[in-house]
Parts: sequence; C-alpha cells; structure tokens
Amino acid sequence: KQEVTQIPAALSVPEGENLVLNCSFTDSAIYNLQWFRQDPGKGLTSLLLIQSSQREQTSGRLNASLDKSSGRSTLYIAASQPGDSATYLCALRGGTNAGKSTFGDGTTLTVKP
Amino acid sequence: DVKVTQSSRYLVKRTGEKVFLECVQDMDHENMFWYRQDPGLGLRLIYFSYDVKMKEKGDIPEGYSVSREKKERFSLILESASTNQTSMYLCASSLRGGRTEAFFGQGTRLTVV
Repeated sequence: KQEVTQIPAALSVPEGENLVLNCSFTDSAIYNLQWFRQDPGKGLTSLLLIQSSQREQTSGRLNASLDKSSGRSTLYIAASQPGDSATYLCALRGGTNAGKSTFGDGTTLTVKP
Repeated sequence: DVKVTQSSRYLVKRTGEKVFLECVQDMDHENMFWYRQDPGLGLRLIYFSYDVKMKEKGDIPEGYSVSREKKERFSLILESASTNQTSMYLCASSLRGGRTEAFFGQGTRLTVV
C-alpha cells in the first residue's frame, strides 16, 4: 500500500525567503505526482503535475522535482510572499492503487510579512 | 479552465436525514471522485466512478452511496446522516487513465447535528 509522508507538518518563514517542501513515498511504481494548494476551508488547487518519466516541472516561482528511485519529491517556492500561505499537499497516482490518488497530510506554510 | 462545481459550500443536516451532495464538471472527464477530509486523517477516498453508471468503492464507503446517471454529474448520498459524517467533502475529476491531472471542486462543509 502506498504511503505518502510530508515533512514538516508546518513551516513559518519570513517574506522573500526561498523554501522547499518535501514529499516522500514508499511505492515508486507511480503514474504521476501532483502538488496542490489548499486555502483554509476551500478545495484543492492544482499547482504542478509531474509524470513518472519526468524529473521536474516549473510554473512561475514554483519548481517541483521527482526522484522515483529515492521515493521523493520536492516543491521549491522562490521569493515567498504572504499570499503563498496555505497548506500544500502532494498526491501520488498509480502504483498499487491502480490509478487512484494517495495524498500526504500536507505542509501548512505561513509566510510572514 | 476546468471547472468542478459542488452544489453547496456549507450544509447543516439533522441525524437520520438523507443527504445529497452534488458535483458537476464541465470538461467531459471520465473519472470522478468523492473524498472526505478530516483533521489528522487527511483525504480519504469514498467512491469513484470511471464512466456513466459505473462506480467503485474507495477506502471508506460505509454509510455512503453514489449515483452517476450523466457523465458530468456525480452525486454522493448519505443514506442516513450521522454525526461522524460531519466533514469536508471534496469532489474531483480527471480524464481517463492514471497519467492525467486531477481537478477539485471548492468543497462542501457538512455538519450533522
């Protein structure tokens, strides 16, 4: 059974800092990995999708990497802003879950002005 | 842009009531999913559907049923609502296959009293 871990559970940084969020998983037989953002009381917003054959994806100030051999993904946020404050979740698709997604518990990011 | 719309942001229902949560997507996606999200437990899959009238149980189907009569609409039914079904409910959709991106609705916060 796929297990997904996100560490740390919470992170607080000053505005302007570059930061890295981590996602580790146990089953490398995945189709893709997706990073989401969730604001309090809201749904999930898709940030980046990395297919299993890819190593990284970039969108604006966000860069996500995938290393299947070590079972790890990172989400890099450059020049953080208070508006980046949210919970960030990673989700793995495929492997033993046959196309369904397994989610981590998320990292709650606070960017202080 | 893909749009996944859940019929209500907030619902308050009484114990024993039959509750319908509706989800509509506008991108002709084959796959649709219902999750619940609880603090400390993360997102858990209740049911998913990969085609009209098709459904499969997720990890926690007990106490729930689903209906998919049209491709764009996926309904979650609480046959007899109980207080332990108080939760945030999230609907998602994606194209067929495991390599595609998942999109989420804005969530429904259900309180059963």
